[in-house]
Amino acid sequence: DAGITQSPRHKVTETGTPVTLRCHQTENHRYMYWYRQDPGHGLRLIHYSYGVKDTDKGEVSDGYSVSRSKTEDFLLTLESATSSQTSVYFCAISRDTYQPQHFGDGTRLSIL
Amino acid sequence: TQLLEQSPQFLSIQEGENLTVYCNSSSVFSSLQWYRQEPGEGPVLLVTVVTGGEVKKLKRLTFQFGDARKDSSLHITAAQPGDTGLYLCAGRGNTPLVFGKGTRLSVIA
Repeated sequence: DAGITQSPRHKVTETGTPVTLRCHQTENHRYMYWYRQDPGHGLRLIHYSYGVKDTDKGEVSDGYSVSRSKTEDFLLTLESATSSQTSVYFCAISRDTYQPQHFGDGTRLSIL
Repeated sequence: TQLLEQSPQFLSIQEGENLTVYCNSSSVFSSLQWYRQEPGEGPVLLVTVVTGGEVKKLKRLTFQFGDARKDSSLHITAAQPGDTGLYLCAGRGNTPLVFGKGTRLSVIA
């Protein structure tokens, strides 16, 4: 299994609070991605990174920010969480944009 | 925007039956991947197809990429309860990856 660790695995928080999810990889892959998975919508790309401090927006980036200060860590921040951001969040990595992605086991986030 | 439509959305079959899952688009993809996801886990790559018309086999699973590289299919022969899960197709076009919404397969013993 690819060395990808997401933390926390579960989180419950209140509307309006900031939330940060962490993805840590031990594979030294260049690309890292954040997705959310919702019933009826499948996997949707939030943001991705193609190197340290190099990031780009995905399909559903509004309300989310990311940072990558080290190759191995990719952080996803919800500055002011809303109930519509309740979801399961997956991190993925790949060697380059054409290679298959390897996924972490997800973070289940509930915003009340 | 490139979209991938998967069908059927849900499939419940008896052990031993055959089934086919479809992944269709109006866009051309340079490659297409199939993943399987089990509850509480992330998707796991099954196969990547790159060439139009390509067929790949993985034990009882057969994957085909359409000649025009706009569609793909996954055929499972003699399904087993262990095949139960969410099957996702994902296409590589002009964005990192575009995912279909998935086909949820349940194989009943």
